Amino acid sequence: GAVVSQHPSRVICKSGTSVKIECRSLDFQATTMFWYRQFPKQSLMLMATSNEGSKATYEQGVEKDKFLINHASLTLSTLTVTSAHPEDSSFYICSARDPKARQGSTDTQYFGPGTRLTVL
Amino acid sequence: QQQVKQSPQSLIVQKGGISIINCAYENTAFDYFPWYQQFPGKGPALLIAIRPDVSEKKEGRFTISFNKSAKQFSLHIMDSQPGDSATYFCAASEGWTGANNLFFGTGTRLTVIP
Repeated sequence: GAVVSQHPSRVICKSGTSVKIECRSLDFQATTMFWYRQFPKQSLMLMATSNEGSKATYEQGVEKDKFLINHASLTLSTLTVTSAHPEDSSFYICSARDPKARQGSTDTQYFGPGTRLTVL
Repeated sequence: QQQVKQSPQSLIVQKGGISIINCAYENTAFDYFPWYQQFPGKGPALLIAIRPDVSEKKEGRFTISFNKSAKQFSLHIMDSQPGDSATYFCAASEGWTGANNLFFGTGTRLTVIP
């Protein structure tokens, strides 16, 4: 299946700093990428939908000025957590949509391995 | 508001037994229902998915049962193995390919005892 990578896999930062997380589709061009957040032992919550070349669409309650999303190319989307605070500590997961998946396929959204963010 | 409700929260099954996880939804516009398996510290991986035009789909030891009128679907893991121990999420979306926004259930932590 298609591969989506995330970098870094884990990051620890001090409160007030900004952290950038990269999401790459390695073997297909993703016109749409999704960013999710997952707290320990909880479900994945969609934060935003990122379309290449346009502004991201944020879910209700997600601060767009705090979670900056840039989908600059068909294989790369970045999530920047600005002025991070301890409450931003979470597991951030991206997924990428493969628009050329064969018709009839039920797997056209591929998930990355996640990034564990810890804000001290 | 939780769009997809999942139960149980945790499940312990003996090796060789059947694991059953249930989900329910309200939005009748949902037409794609996948199940994901997630190991600690990893992203979710698609396990099996179903569309509402069929009532059951089987892939190996994994079966989805779908009840459109009741708006419920469930995952059955036959001959459960210790390697199946993971957290399982059901999900739903509009658009049969799963390429649209996915709404996840709250997850079930499965433990298979040797």
